[in-house]
Amino acid sequence: EDQVTQSPEALRLQEGESSSLNCSYTVSGLRGLFWYRQDPGKGPEFLFTLYSAGEEKEKERLKATLTKKESFLHITAPKPEDSATYLCAVHNTDKLIFGTGTRLQVFP
Amino acid sequence: KAGVTQTPRYLIKTRGQQVTLSCSPISGHRSVSWYQQTPGQGLQFLFEYFSETQRNKGNFPGRFSGRQFSNSRSEMNVSTLELGDSALYLCASSLQGLHYEQYFGPGTRLTVT
Repeated sequence: EDQVTQSPEALRLQEGESSSLNCSYTVSGLRGLFWYRQDPGKGPEFLFTLYSAGEEKEKERLKATLTKKESFLHITAPKPEDSATYLCAVHNTDKLIFGTGTRLQVFP
Repeated sequence: KAGVTQTPRYLIKTRGQQVTLSCSPISGHRSVSWYQQTPGQGLQFLFEYFSETQRNKGNFPGRFSGRQFSNSRSEMNVSTLELGDSALYLCASSLQGLHYEQYFGPGTRLTVT
């Protein structure tokens, strides 16, 4: 069965303390892996798309990487405004499968 | 460019009733997909419409249905509501489909009593 697992469930960081979020997946026919950010009371906001192992994407303090079994979202020197739930989603042949997310809190 | 809009934003219904939710995609986007988000199950894919045709479908019962109009606007219908249908229903649009980034609306919060 296709599955997406994110860890940790929650992460508390001090401002400037870098860390990584993990998204591991088992799917048949991976067609793409997506990272989204969701703030309370809002819909998810697109961050990155990765299509093949070895691919990397960067945006400001965020960097996403992909291997054949997992993806990492690296957060460098986070700020309080980076606090949100980060969702990983995998596109197999006919649906999008989301992980349950990592709730990130960054304290000043 | 205007984002994805969903109406209504909040809805309270009684068990057994039916409900219709509406989604207007970003101009030029031909794919609209629907999701259910609950604290216990997270975000789950309901279905995707492209050019007025349902192209993909998740693992939800037939009480959940949808349609897409020629202007790409989409509606989702849930019949015979159950308490477990209480959730945030999110709509997303994209240029060509699920293999492209999805742009989400703010969601409709449905409460079934």
